[in-house]
Amino acid sequence: SQQGEEDPQALSIQEGENATMNCSYKTSINNLQWYRQNSGRGLVHLILIRSNEREKHSGRLRVTLDTSKKSSSLLITASRAADTASYFCATQPEYAGGTSYGKLTFGQGTILTVHP
Amino acid sequence: DTGVSQDPRHKITKRGQNVTFRCDPISEHNRLYWYRQTLGQGPEFLTYFQNEAQLEKSRLLSDRFSAERPKGSFSTLEIQRTEQGDSAMYLCASSAGAGANVLTFGAGSRLTVL
Repeated sequence: SQQGEEDPQALSIQEGENATMNCSYKTSINNLQWYRQNSGRGLVHLILIRSNEREKHSGRLRVTLDTSKKSSSLLITASRAADTASYFCATQPEYAGGTSYGKLTFGQGTILTVHP
Repeated sequence: DTGVSQDPRHKITKRGQNVTFRCDPISEHNRLYWYRQTLGQGPEFLTYFQNEAQLEKSRLLSDRFSAERPKGSFSTLEIQRTEQGDSAMYLCASSAGAGANVLTFGAGSRLTVL
């Protein structure tokens, strides 16, 4: 079953604009990750934010995490046509009983279209 | 190529036939995952291996599904007596383990059951 929901389901913007995607989840987490998927391909890891972090940057990506609201957002600045893809958040649960493998649970994704 | 390889990339089969997918993970990764993704949805967890041991199976993995990872290297996912509802992308991923679990995915194997 899906861990949470992503909002919006689809987002269409012009090149150069910023794109913001939101993710909500249900259970306590160790970390939250964002992945990108080009049409019909596998997923590529973008960025990870740990439960004790509030904000993280990587290039044009900015991720925030609010554990009290169980939500995260991904901001892509100065978007490019090549950013067109589906974006998924994925949560790793808090470690339990000493086990650390923590399978990831994915959201339903946001389809981003960037028009040249 | 040091990424995760999956084969075949596409498989079209008739209902009732058996199919098998293969995944070759990154060689130094001891954890291997299978996920299933249907159109418009995020990946759903199917099963997980640490080395050769299958440590968790989702309830999505019915008796018709079996996965193996002999010798802790490549893995196979077999679906017996396929049904139209099995049509999906089957994604394999691997990770190095310990701490934060960042997955490296293969390109996926797309199954179409007619």
